[in-house]
Amino acid sequence: GAVVSQHPSWVICKSGTSVKIECRSLDFQATTMFWYRQFPKQSLMLMATSNEGSKATYEQGVEKDKFLINHASLTLSTLTVTSAHPEDSSFYICSASWPIQETQYFGPGTRLLVL
Amino acid sequence: RKEVEQDPGPFNVPEGATVAFNCTYSNSASQSFFWYRQDCRKEPKLLMSVYSSGNEDGRFTAQLNRASQYISLLIRDSKLSDSATYLCVVNGGTGNQFYFGTGTSLTVIP
Repeated sequence: GAVVSQHPSWVICKSGTSVKIECRSLDFQATTMFWYRQFPKQSLMLMATSNEGSKATYEQGVEKDKFLINHASLTLSTLTVTSAHPEDSSFYICSASWPIQETQYFGPGTRLLVL
Repeated sequence: RKEVEQDPGPFNVPEGATVAFNCTYSNSASQSFFWYRQDCRKEPKLLMSVYSSGNEDGRFTAQLNRASQYISLLIRDSKLSDSATYLCVVNGGTGNQFYFGTGTSLTVIP
């Protein structure tokens, strides 16, 4: 299957810090990338859908000014959690859509802990 | 009504057992269907794609019933390593829209 990387794997930061997470499709050009958040023992929650060169589409209840998404190329999307607070602590996972199979491949996720 | 619904379980089965999960979807225009596996504290990994009448991969069989709008996953001869959460994912039929079930938790007991 296709390979998607995420960086960093772990982030521990102080409240008020902005955190940037990168998502890369390593061996294919992804038409669309998705950002999810998952709290412990809960299901994946889609935050936003990102297409290269255009603004991201955010799900209801997700603040676009807090979670900034930049999709600069067909292989890179970034999520910036601005002024992070403890309630933003979560497992953030990106995925990239592989057009041939019309399916998604997930990055390994980023664990964010805001103190 | 949710786009995709799954029984969350948990399913606790002994090694060697056969277990089946079902997932229903609401959009009759959906064209692509998938089962993912998610281990604890890890990302989901694609287990199987399900197209037309279904497919089989070793101990795993996925089936699609368009008339009743559900897909199923059958695991034969369960192994301890099959313990995970199984996610049903449906493509919305209009491009890059994917809908996830809440996942079904499976624990295989020695």
